[in-house]
Amino acid sequence: DGGITQSPKYLFRKEGQNVTLSCEQNLNHDAMYWYRQDPGQGLRLIYYSQIVNDFQKGDIAEGYSVSREKKESFPLTVTSAQKNPTAFYLCASSPPGQVQETQYFGPGTRLLVL
Amino acid sequence: GDSVTQMEGPVTLSEEAFLTINCTYTATGYPSLFWYVQYPGEGLQLLLKATKADDKGSNKGFEATYRKETTSFHLEKGSVQVSDSAVYFCALISGGYNKLIFGAGTRLAVHP
Repeated sequence: DGGITQSPKYLFRKEGQNVTLSCEQNLNHDAMYWYRQDPGQGLRLIYYSQIVNDFQKGDIAEGYSVSREKKESFPLTVTSAQKNPTAFYLCASSPPGQVQETQYFGPGTRLLVL
Repeated sequence: GDSVTQMEGPVTLSEEAFLTINCTYTATGYPSLFWYVQYPGEGLQLLLKATKADDKGSNKGFEATYRKETTSFHLEKGSVQVSDSAVYFCALISGGYNKLIFGAGTRLAVHP
C-alpha cells in the first residue's frame, strides 16, 4: 500500500535535547511538508521541500531543521532552540504536476517534553 | 495575506441531523479550496476539494461549493452519523507554490 509513514507515534524530549521525527513516503511525490498543530488550532507550516536537496522555511521554522537527501524521506529535527516543542507534528506530501496540488498527510507524531 | 475563517465549535448534533460548517476565505488570485477531516489521535484526511468557482466537491455524503462571489466554501451533510464525529478543517492553496493555509478547525460531536 502506498502512503506516508511517520515514526514514532509518541516522542519524549528532555530539556536541551535534539530529537528527530521521521517521515517516509512511497507515493513517488516530489514535494514534502512539515506542519505543527497545537491544541484547538489549525496547522502551521514549518518547512517544505519541492525537490531533493532543496527546502525552504515556512512560517515557524525557528528551532527546527530538515534535510532532503532522498525523495522518499524528509526528517524533521526539533532542536534545543525550540522552546515550546510540545505539539502534534504532521508530515505531508503532494504529487508532481500543476501548482495547488492536493497534500496527503501522515498519521502524525506527538512530541512531549519531560 | 491569505486566510481562512471557520465557524467556531464545538458543533453538537443528534444523529441524522443536517450539518453545515461555515468557511470563508481571503485570497489573492484563484485559490483551490479543501476540506480535511481529523479523527481523534490521527492525521488529516482529505475529505473533498474544489479548484475553481462554482465547482462542487463531494465525498461520503459531504458537499461543499466554491462560491467566489461570497468567498465561501461551506461544508454540508444531509444526515450525520456518530462516526462523523471529528475535527473538520477548511484550507486553501493559492499562489505559485503549495502552501496550505488552514482555518482553526471545527469540532463536530454527533450523539445517538
